[in-house]
Amino acid sequence: AQTVTQSQPEMSVQEAETVTLSCTYDTSESDYYLFWYKQPPSRQMILVIRQEAYKQQNATENRFSVNFQKAAKSFSLKISDSQLGDAAMYFCAYRSNSKLTFGKGITLSVRP
Amino acid sequence: NAGVTQTPKFRILKIGQSMTLQCTQDMNHNYMYWYRQDPGMGLKLIYYSVGAGITDKGEVPNGYNVSRSTTEDFPLRLELAAPSQTSVYFCASSPGLAPPATQYFGPGTRLTVL
Repeated sequence: AQTVTQSQPEMSVQEAETVTLSCTYDTSESDYYLFWYKQPPSRQMILVIRQEAYKQQNATENRFSVNFQKAAKSFSLKISDSQLGDAAMYFCAYRSNSKLTFGKGITLSVRP
Repeated sequence: NAGVTQTPKFRILKIGQSMTLQCTQDMNHNYMYWYRQDPGMGLKLIYYSVGAGITDKGEVPNGYNVSRSTTEDFPLRLELAAPSQTSVYFCASSPGLAPPATQYFGPGTRLTVL
């Protein structure tokens, strides 16, 4: 079975600084997708960024980018120019076939 | 465009009561999912459906039932509610397996069983 590990329960970043959230996963499959979701206090799950495993190029979405290391099974999220609105819980997720497997999440706080 | 909607937003049940959590999507997605999120944890898959009339168990199906009679609706039924079912429940939908294979989530239902 696939597993997703987010080993850091909490992180803090100064506003305007850069922070990296770590995620590792375990799988024997070669074709899959990886996602980062943001969950603010409203509880809404918001897609931040996604990465197809067959693509070597790292995905970017404005201030959000990933470092995808397929051989190491690592998928970290970098947030540049952190803003107060980035404060939330972030979940790493792995998808193969029709199912998503989530990590336990990391709580990110942003200091003004 | 409403996306994925869930009702109710909050509910308190007594032990042994039953209820149905409603989920509707207007994106004509074939795939629909139910997750639960316990405090401080990630989401765990309860049941999913790949189309009308087709459902399958996820990681934590015990105590729940689902049906999928239409593409739009995917209700989750709790029979004989227990305190262990206190959680936040999310419904999600996806167009299928083709890229980008993204799941879109509803706003969640917070359920408390006392």
